[in-house]
Amino acid sequence: SQQGEEDPQALSIQEGENATMNCSYKTSINNLQWYRQNSGRGLVHLILIRSNEREKHSGRLRVTLDTSKKSSSLLITASRAADTASYFCATDYTGYSTLTFGKGTMLLVSP
Amino acid sequence: DVKVTQSSRYLVKRTGEKVFLECVQDMDHENMFWYRQDPGLGLRLIYFSYDVKMKEKGDIPEGYSVSREKKERFSLILESASTNQTSMYLCASSPDQNSGSKTYEQYFGPGTRLTVT
Repeated sequence: SQQGEEDPQALSIQEGENATMNCSYKTSINNLQWYRQNSGRGLVHLILIRSNEREKHSGRLRVTLDTSKKSSSLLITASRAADTASYFCATDYTGYSTLTFGKGTMLLVSP
Repeated sequence: DVKVTQSSRYLVKRTGEKVFLECVQDMDHENMFWYRQDPGLGLRLIYFSYDVKMKEKGDIPEGYSVSREKKERFSLILESASTNQTSMYLCASSPDQNSGSKTYEQYFGPGTRLTVT
């Protein structure tokens, strides 16, 4: 399947630092979404960026999208221990409401 | 708040048993999805449904079937459970992109961790 790939697979930082996660995908998309998953739980939607947008902000989150490189990045500024979770990018390339998820980045924020 | 509920958080079944996983959403969403999540493989789409009594195969439908008799309920059925179906199962729902909603995000349930022994 056409899956996004997150990079890095795992990231360990200290509280207060910024965390950057990247996502690459293979085909043209309608939109790209980022989700967070706390350990053993369901996913929670964080932010959606459409294919005609280049940057989007939501609180401490900043998402960029480069359609020419087929890549996106998620920046979490001033990380907190509560940001510890797995982060997934998901692409909508069919226009039929289905999403294709990457394998995720595990973020550990230490106090 | 949108709520997606799944019938069990943890489930242990024996090989060969028929297993039903239930999912209910309360936001009148047209679309519902079943995923399985395995370490190193991420989320993989099993089946989805965009309307009552409608179903579409996802990436890994083999060994599974689904039922959507009512809009709010989407069931995943393992006809004869096998050990390789031990996994975390996640249900999600979303509004239809043609319904006028401006959000295409999916709302997830808490997941069911199924162990087949």
